[in-house]
Formats: sequence, C-alpha cells, structure tokens
Amino acid sequence: DSGVTQTPKHLITATGQRVTLRCSPRSGDLSVYWYQQSLDQGLQFLIHYYNGEERAKGNILERFSAQQFPDLHSELNLSSLELGDSALYFCASSPFDRGSTDTQYFGPGTRLTVL
Amino acid sequence: GDSVTQMEGPVTLSEEAFLTINCTYTATGYPSLFWYVQYPGEGLQLLLKATKADDKGSNKGFEATYRKETTSFHLEKGSVQVSDSAVYFCALIFVQSGGSYIPTFGRGTSLIVHP
Repeated sequence: DSGVTQTPKHLITATGQRVTLRCSPRSGDLSVYWYQQSLDQGLQFLIHYYNGEERAKGNILERFSAQQFPDLHSELNLSSLELGDSALYFCASSPFDRGSTDTQYFGPGTRLTVL
Repeated sequence: GDSVTQMEGPVTLSEEAFLTINCTYTATGYPSLFWYVQYPGEGLQLLLKATKADDKGSNKGFEATYRKETTSFHLEKGSVQVSDSAVYFCALIFVQSGGSYIPTFGRGTSLIVHP
C-alpha cells in the first residue's frame, strides 16, 4: 500500500458526459501528479501540482482540467468524454517540488470506461 | 523532447532464468533514471533508480546501471521467480533550466515467469 488513495476505483459513463476523479496523496506529500495509461499510448504524464499550484503540464487535453485543494487532495475533471478517453488514470505523490530524483508513490488507479 | 524506449514484450522466461529488459533514452541533459514495476491490478511501485552516470541502482535482486555513453539503463536479474511476473516501466525525470520537467515513461515490458 503506497498510502495514495484514489476514488472511485471504477467508473462507467457515456460519451459527452463529465466525470471527476479524486486523489489523496500520502500524508505529508505536497506534490500530486496525474497520468493516463492506455493500451495504445502507454503511460502519459498529464499534469503536476505542488501545494496547490500547477507546476508542469504534459499531454493533457483542453477538455481535461485538474486542481489541488488546500487539504492537498486533487481532482481531475474530464469533460465531453469520448470513447478514446477510456483508460486507467493514476495519481502519484511525492514530498517535493520539481525534484529530479524524486520517488513518486502511485495510487491504485481509477479505471474509466466510456461507452 | 525526452523519450524512453523499452524492448517490446512479453518476455517469457522459466523460473531461475536470467533476465534483461533493455531501456534506452534520449534527453537534452542528464536525467535521473528509474525502473518501476506494476503488478496486476495495482499502481506502479519504484523498483530502483540512479541519478548520475555510472550509478548502479539495485533492489530485490534487480540491478540497472546508468550508462551515459550508450544512453541506456537496462534492467537485469540473475534468477527470476514466478512472483516477478509483472509489467516493468523505465522512466526518466529531467529538470529543465526553466525549472519545469515532464516525467517520461517507456511503454512498459510485460514479464511472464513460468514455474
């Protein structure tokens, strides 16, 4: 158990809908990262927050947005969902800001299925 | 941009066989390199890391050496067990001059170990 929690575990929804994925980092960790894992794209970095501030953006679509709240939990909002958004979404946490040697601790993931 | 290339899987071995999973990278500077492991139904876990050239990371019998001259970070284990069956991800993190960075993962290599 990494100490990172994600809810829900599974989510099934229809095209065009909007969903919110939630992540609680390990106690004391200030950084949260979001990733999308799909069969065709592999593991793709989406976005990084540190102590409530956005730090880096990867391959995140404009239909997707995220935020980190004062209690350090984070939410990833996915809107106007398409079939291709079906994937596993992971969050990871670490104690530090832009550290290049950081270990990231991954949550168990949320499996999103868009029908 | 930065990229990580891993050998295609699945890699299928008998118990006690020698394992090598190749990983090469391209980066504009000198990144930190990581191997993560993902067991079925779980998130990624850090297996080992190396932060500078010629460093060797090791954990649970797995080893990888940071080779700057060949831009490689191959994962090896002398004698695999059935419990090593999982997906292995090579990754890099490089902090750019502007302070931003994007964690970059390979597509993962599935390892199947038979008794």
